[in-house]
Amino acid sequence: GQQLNQSPQSMFIQEGEDVSMNCTSSSIFNTWLWYKQDPGEGPVLLIALYKAGELTSNGRLTAQFGITRKDSFLNISASIPSDVGIYFCAGLYYGGSQGNLIFGKGTKLSVKP
Amino acid sequence: NAGVMQNPRHLVRRRGQEARLRCSPMKGHSHVYWYRQLPEEGLKFMVYLQKENIIDESGMPKERFSAEFPKEGPSILRIQQVVRGDSAAYFCASSPSLAGGQQYFGPGTRLTVT
Repeated sequence: GQQLNQSPQSMFIQEGEDVSMNCTSSSIFNTWLWYKQDPGEGPVLLIALYKAGELTSNGRLTAQFGITRKDSFLNISASIPSDVGIYFCAGLYYGGSQGNLIFGKGTKLSVKP
Repeated sequence: NAGVMQNPRHLVRRRGQEARLRCSPMKGHSHVYWYRQLPEEGLKFMVYLQKENIIDESGMPKERFSAEFPKEGPSILRIQQVVRGDSAAYFCASSPSLAGGQQYFGPGTRLTVT
């Protein structure tokens, strides 16, 4: 089945540092989404990518959709304590009429003030 | 504009009881998705519904689980005769259309089976 592999699994960084995480797959996806989940809450959509090679920013966040449509990275610049959480990549595959998301296992980010 | 609403936020059931989880999509959204999340895991797709129709239930166990999205009212995920392995967080998401791809999630229902 389709799987998304996220790395790293966890990161411990100092406040102010830049963060980079990525997601790879053996399958091609039409759309790639990045979500952040805080403890006890649902995932919140950060960035959506639709075209191969697309680079999109949302404040301090930047994400790119790989040319092969099999990978994506998410960068966070100048991290702050509220960036703490679990970041998930999710691929959307239009198989038939379906539009269900395939999620990676997440990258857990911890920020030391 | 209210987001996706789910209730209850926490649900405790004994083995063998039924669990009913409710989801009200965002206003204007006609597509609803249910996902399950185990601790330290990503979300796993269960079922995708539009009003009065199940579009894709490929991720839902064949027995004990059912879902509906009636013409009026919230979407319901129903788990009959719950077992300990059903303990998880269940998330509902909605989207305005399939083509857009952007799914917005509710806060989840945490089901604990004792």
